[in-house]
Amino acid sequence: GAVVSQHPSWVICKSGTSVKIECRSLDFQATTMFWYRQFPKQSLMLMATSNEGSKATYEQGVEKDKFLINHASLTLSTLTVTSAHPEDSSFYICSASRGVFYEQYFGPGTRLTVT
Amino acid sequence: AQSVSQHNHHVILSEAASLELGCNYSYGGTVNLFWYVQYPGQHLQLLLKYFSGDPLVKGIKGFEAEFIKSKFSFNLRKPSVQWSDTAEYFCAVTSNNNDMRFGAGTRLTVKP
Repeated sequence: GAVVSQHPSWVICKSGTSVKIECRSLDFQATTMFWYRQFPKQSLMLMATSNEGSKATYEQGVEKDKFLINHASLTLSTLTVTSAHPEDSSFYICSASRGVFYEQYFGPGTRLTVT
Repeated sequence: AQSVSQHNHHVILSEAASLELGCNYSYGGTVNLFWYVQYPGQHLQLLLKYFSGDPLVKGIKGFEAEFIKSKFSFNLRKPSVQWSDTAEYFCAVTSNNNDMRFGAGTRLTVKP
């Protein structure tokens, strides 16, 4: 159990366009979902935390107007990278938590390349 | 500031050698501690976790970790590594606000 999926797994887009990444908890209800960014050979950096039905809480330095997060249901959260630029190219990982014992289950990640 | 430190960036071992990866944190108060592993091309997987109770935690694949509160440490150990243990290992800490912070990661290479 506790499977988290992400779609797409890999996306290439042109500079200036927007890209939406989906994160789904397949077999449990996730009260909280997290979005991370991972640069090559570096650790995960938390971007934002979202609770179902409420606005996401962004980490310092993360532009909320650029990285739009919607946690529409207990099984789905989306991250939209608006007006993407090459510096947004990265590996984006989501995780989901039942919110009880703070354990997070991670998705496989989405590699975004902006040309 | 709250932080998680993994001092070993890259560890290279031969098969059957013993492993210990360091993890220190600077959070005050109650913490939950985790070790995750990321095999090449795969997503993060939980190795083990500590919430409370016995400070020596046993995880999957023969890994264990010991929580030493006085040292703010949660080191990962395995008595005998295998080639298949080659991966990136991340220590993570959550505090009461459910915010998980990761260490920089340690790359383990096991030579066959």
